[in-house]
Amino acid sequence: AQKVTQAQTEISVVEKEDVTLDCVYETRDTTYYLFWYKQPPSGELVFLIRRNSFDEQNEISGRYSWNFQKSTSSFNFTITASQVVDSAVYFCALSEIMLTFGGGTRLMVKP
Amino acid sequence: GAVVSQHPSRVICKSGTSVKIECRSLDFQATTMFWYRQFPKQSLMLMATSNEGSKATYEQGVEKDKFLINHASLTLSTLTVTSAHPEDSSFYICSARNGFQETQYFGPGTRLLVL
Repeated sequence: AQKVTQAQTEISVVEKEDVTLDCVYETRDTTYYLFWYKQPPSGELVFLIRRNSFDEQNEISGRYSWNFQKSTSSFNFTITASQVVDSAVYFCALSEIMLTFGGGTRLMVKP
Repeated sequence: GAVVSQHPSRVICKSGTSVKIECRSLDFQATTMFWYRQFPKQSLMLMATSNEGSKATYEQGVEKDKFLINHASLTLSTLTVTSAHPEDSSFYICSARNGFQETQYFGPGTRLLVL
């Protein structure tokens, strides 16, 4: 069975601070995909990134970066120079056949 | 990215009535659509998976006679909450993907309030 754990339920930072959201997963499969989605207060889930299990290269997209480490089964997400608009719930998810979500991390960025 | 729409975005209904929620993939063909339910401050819980032209597969504990799912075309799936009760009040989100290992794209969600 697959499982995704986001140990941080809530994080509060001040604008311009860097913040890292942790994600640890469990799976028996060697082929799988990892995702991050953002859910702002409006409720819609916004796709941020997809990474397959064979690609451990870190990725950077603007202020966002992701660190995938298979050795520790982690797929952490860092926001650099956070902004108020980054306030949302962030979900990490794992997909073998079906998508399994972590519990989510609520990020509050204060001005 | 791919766009998925949901309608209505918000609905209030009386207990005992049925409510239909539509999920559409606007710029791609969705071979598979998913329906999730999300309670306040909780994660998404998968309710069912539907493939175009076939019966939906429901997750354990989800009543298929209460939550009717139809995936009549490659761009449209509907969820009908039959004889709704206050405990059915929730945020319902659909997603769609084109292909077995492809990314799921989510709709904006529907907030259902049953009085």
